[in-house]
Amino acid sequence: NAGVTQTPKFRILKIGQSMTLQCAQDMNHNYMYWYRQDPGMGLKLIYYSVGAGITDKGEVPNGYNVSRSTTEDFPLRLELAAPSQTSVYFCASSLQWQDYEQYFGPGTRLTVT
Amino acid sequence: GENVGLHLPTLSVQEGDNSIINCAYSNSASDYFIWYKQESGKGPQFIIDIRSNMDKRQGQRVTVLLNKTVKHLSLQIAATQPGDSAVYFCAENSAGGATNKLIFGTGTLLAVQP
Repeated sequence: NAGVTQTPKFRILKIGQSMTLQCAQDMNHNYMYWYRQDPGMGLKLIYYSVGAGITDKGEVPNGYNVSRSTTEDFPLRLELAAPSQTSVYFCASSLQWQDYEQYFGPGTRLTVT
Repeated sequence: GENVGLHLPTLSVQEGDNSIINCAYSNSASDYFIWYKQESGKGPQFIIDIRSNMDKRQGQRVTVLLNKTVKHLSLQIAATQPGDSAVYFCAENSAGGATNKLIFGTGTLLAVQP
């Protein structure tokens, strides 16, 4: 198993540009999550999904959108990039209800200038 | 609001010593706690977890202690090695099982001196 994979690893955006951060998992996990991590800080939940076709907001959803058309994929969309969205983005997955251990991808480092 | 915080942002230890990383939580309804290790440039990696019906759990060179009375969690690493140098995060399911979401603390940097 590749586990949780994320692309790209690095990206630089100009203010106002849009992009999609890709996330895929091959563990047949129902739950998937997107976090952002600012320097020296913990992880903040952006969006999460409990299964294909179901998504919900986390702690910091503004400026982002997600979709979950398949069990495997959970892309994160930034429509109008802002400098405040400069961060490292992590995707994670967990197996099922009340199975709390989350498996993380390697992250995407995004800089908005 | 929910709060998972760490007492020490940076911990420096000598190789071979034991390390103790502490974490405070504020939500009495939390019934699951987990420790992650994050090496520079990588995603968090699971270390060990514990449920609220236990007060101690041991893994390989690691032990997690849970004190529900004072809402305190600690991670003990025995015979700390240079490869243990990383940021360590605690997290809790602060909704008490109502969702699968975890709330993460800000992290402690463990620096192992050779």
